[in-house]
Amino acid sequence: AQSVTQLGSHVSVSEGALVLLRCNYSSSVPPYLFWYVQYPNQGLQLLLKYTSAATLVKGINGFEAEFKKSETSFHLTKPSAHMSDAAEYFCAVYSSASKIIFGSGTRLSIRP
Amino acid sequence: DTEVTQTPKHLVMGMTNKKSLKCEQHMGHRAMYWYKQKAKKPPELMFVYSYEKLSINESVPSRFSPECPNSSLLNLHLHALQPEDSALYLCASSQALGDNEQFFGPGTRLTVL
Repeated sequence: AQSVTQLGSHVSVSEGALVLLRCNYSSSVPPYLFWYVQYPNQGLQLLLKYTSAATLVKGINGFEAEFKKSETSFHLTKPSAHMSDAAEYFCAVYSSASKIIFGSGTRLSIRP
Repeated sequence: DTEVTQTPKHLVMGMTNKKSLKCEQHMGHRAMYWYKQKAKKPPELMFVYSYEKLSINESVPSRFSPECPNSSLLNLHLHALQPEDSALYLCASSQALGDNEQFFGPGTRLTVL
């Protein structure tokens, strides 16, 4: 069965600093992996997805993620944080049962 | 049109009320989903419809009754809910069941008194 684990329920960075949100996956088959963002009182927006075409995936709003099979990781990064990046971020994996399995989420706070 | 719309945005209901949540998409998607999201938790899948037929029911209590009247619309009928059912209800759609990319609506914030 596929699953994802997000390390750190809350990450706080200064404006302009590197953002790193961690996600590790478990899957017996090549996974489809996603990062979603949820702003307060809103639905989920897809940031990026990995579907095996390229290990470095670029998404919207300057985010990118790198798929590392050897580390079973799919960490999300952004070189320079902006105040508008403050939100909840979910890593997710598409399961063989036609379902998206979400991680527990990481709340990103940005310090001025 | 690449949007999934949901109405109402907010809903407050008593435990004896009957209400419905609505979801609409005009992307030609044939799979539609209902999720429930409690505060500070990830979304949890409730129901999946494929070609207007219920495909997955994640053992949801019968006080939640989904309906897919056509390929663009998805309803969630609510009756005799409990306060613990208060949550954000999210609708999503994908091109087909088995397509891994889902598009989410903004959700309906439900409060049960």
